[in-house]
Amino acid sequence: DTEVTQTPKHLVMGMTNKKSLKCEQHMGHRAMYWYKQKAKKPPELMFVYSYEKLSINESVPSRFSPECPNSSLLNLHLHALQPEDSALYLCASSQGGQGGNEKLFFGSGTQLSVL
Amino acid sequence: AQTVTQSQPEMSVQEAETVTLSCTYDTSESNYYLFWYKQPPSRQMILVIRQEAYKQQNATENRFSVNFQKAAKSFSLKISDSQLGDTAMYFCAFMKSPSYDKVIFGPGTSLSVIP
Repeated sequence: DTEVTQTPKHLVMGMTNKKSLKCEQHMGHRAMYWYKQKAKKPPELMFVYSYEKLSINESVPSRFSPECPNSSLLNLHLHALQPEDSALYLCASSQGGQGGNEKLFFGSGTQLSVL
Repeated sequence: AQTVTQSQPEMSVQEAETVTLSCTYDTSESNYYLFWYKQPPSRQMILVIRQEAYKQQNATENRFSVNFQKAAKSFSLKISDSQLGDTAMYFCAFMKSPSYDKVIFGPGTSLSVIP
């Protein structure tokens, strides 16, 4: 299994809603990432988890709350979002460490619209 | 801090022709990985090719090859026999080794293959 699975594929939410994005991988990868991508722009890193611990937070607003319940799962909890948060949210994973075969595996993303 | 630059925002190529996309990067690291990722209209990020900095030999994957010039910090992608399915955004990316760190993406090059 070389897939990163993201759910849902599409999400529409109001500014007062609470929702969660889910990401799952079963490749034994030790690093997992959340990226935000606007149309025609590169992915922007939000968070990195390594060995289930948050290792990088790129000064993301607190209305985005990541969670890594176990080594295969990564969640992104959303609360009180703004319309400018509408974007494609990509999850990725990588082997991590000095395995010599490093690359990012991406999920297909969640297209989020905030009304 | 690492930076990745792609100087060609848009390019086009006739079907079956060859095209080269440019990428330069800046880093003080000695060990790292470089990638080209493709993002078609479906927005799925697909790894095209990967290069390890300590390897002198340029990576190749079927119709895709790179010209890696470590001293010049240059990493260009050559696509031979261009196909309509190659139409996509192409992102050059940098990852430190060992990883558990951010992957830095360039701004992207939008490639159109013309029939």
